[in-house]
Amino acid sequence: QKEVEQNSGPLSVPEGAIASLNCTYSDRGSQSFFWYRQYSGKSPELIMFIYSNGDKEDGRFTAQLNKASQYVSLLIRDSQPSDSATYLCAVTPGGTYKYIFGTGTRLKVLA
Amino acid sequence: DVKVTQSSRYLVKRTGEKVFLECVQDMDHENMFWYRQDPGLGLRLIYFSYDVKMKEKGDIPEGYSVSREKKERFSLILESASTNQTSMYLCASSLRGEQFFGPGTRLTVL
Repeated sequence: QKEVEQNSGPLSVPEGAIASLNCTYSDRGSQSFFWYRQYSGKSPELIMFIYSNGDKEDGRFTAQLNKASQYVSLLIRDSQPSDSATYLCAVTPGGTYKYIFGTGTRLKVLA
Repeated sequence: DVKVTQSSRYLVKRTGEKVFLECVQDMDHENMFWYRQDPGLGLRLIYFSYDVKMKEKGDIPEGYSVSREKKERFSLILESASTNQTSMYLCASSLRGEQFFGPGTRLTVL
C-alpha cells in the first residue's frame, strides 16, 4: 500500500462547478497535510495546509481533514480553466521532517 | 516572499560526469530538501538537511550525495551521472510547516 494515495485522473469538471480532489494516507501518526498545485513544466506551489480535523477555507479552496478515516480532500468552488493543473497531496508522518507526496491528480476544467 | 533559486533550469551532461546542482533560499529556513520528479512516480525524496552540515537520506539516495556548508545553500551531487538519473530535480526549503519549491532543474544525461 502506498503511503499517500491519489487518483491520477484526469478529473474533468465544467467551468463554474465544484472540483473535489481526494487523498488517503496510511500513517495514523501523520500530523500535517498540504495541497500543492503544479502546472505542466513548473514546480509545485502551495495552496493550503491543514493540521486539525475539520474544514479550512481560503477563498475558493476548502481543505477537509478526517484523521479517523485517514483522508484529506480539497474542494475548488467555481472552478476556472486556470485551475487546470496537477494537484499534489503531501503528508508529514509523525516525528520526522520528511514529507510524503502522492503522485497527484490531474484536473481539467472545461470552458 | 520566500525565494528558492536553483542554479540551472536545464542541464545536459554525459554519462560518468560529476554533476553539481545548487539551491539557495533567502528565508533563513532550517530544512532543505532535494527531490526528483518522474512521470508516474511523483516526487521522490533524495536527501534532506535540517541544519548546517546535517543531512539524512531520503527514499532514493543511491548515486547522490549532498553538501550543506551554509544555511542558505544545499547542493546535490551526482558522483558519476548515469542515464537513469535523467529527471526533473526540485529543491525545497521549509521552517516548520509548508515547503517552498525552487523552479526545478531538468537534467538530461546522455
